[in-house]
Amino acid sequence: ETGVTQTPRHLVMGMTNKKSLKCEQHLGHNAMYWYKQSAKKPLELMFVYNFKEQTENNSVPSRFSPECPNSSHLFLHLHTLQPEDSALYLCASSQSPGTSGPSSYNEQFFGPGTRLTVL
Amino acid sequence: GENVEQHPSTLSVQEGDSAVIKCTYSDSASNYFPWYKQELGKGPQLIIDIRSNVGEKKDQRIAVTLNKTAKHFSLHITETQPEDSAVYFCAARVTGFQKLVFGTGTRLLVSP
Repeated sequence: ETGVTQTPRHLVMGMTNKKSLKCEQHLGHNAMYWYKQSAKKPLELMFVYNFKEQTENNSVPSRFSPECPNSSHLFLHLHTLQPEDSALYLCASSQSPGTSGPSSYNEQFFGPGTRLTVL
Repeated sequence: GENVEQHPSTLSVQEGDSAVIKCTYSDSASNYFPWYKQELGKGPQLIIDIRSNVGEKKDQRIAVTLNKTAKHFSLHITETQPEDSAVYFCAARVTGFQKLVFGTGTRLLVSP
């Protein structure tokens, strides 16, 4: 266990559905991330939050809508997805830069992911 | 932006052999290079990392080397065991940024 949990672990949805992915970290971190992992492709960073504020959006389509109500929880709201959005969605957390000393490189810890299938 | 290439894409070894996975990066401003292991049904797990002020780091059977001049770094696993079978990812991060840029992964299979 890495201290980062994700629910649900598997999700099948139609293109007209609305669903949400949830991530929770128990590591006391203040930065959280969403990544997309597709077959044969590198992990792609989607969003970064620091202290509940979104600090990076990696040109993600608006059908993906993140929400970070506090430093321990992160959501990814999904609507009107396409079949090519089927992938493993990974959440990660770390300390934010500058919060854990100059010797720390803010290692990222990943959750187990949600396997999403869009029909 | 940063680009990371990883080779080989698959690697099969016999138990007890050594395994080496290589990565190259493009941005000379990168200063942090982690390696992750991903087992089936799990998220990536950090196994070792190296910072740009050192050339080599070891942790039991795994080691990572970094050549900043050539912009490449490698993962070395000695005395491989079947439980080492997994997909391994390298990554690089540019100084001042939080974004990790990942390689495409290496599927390592260790046969008994």
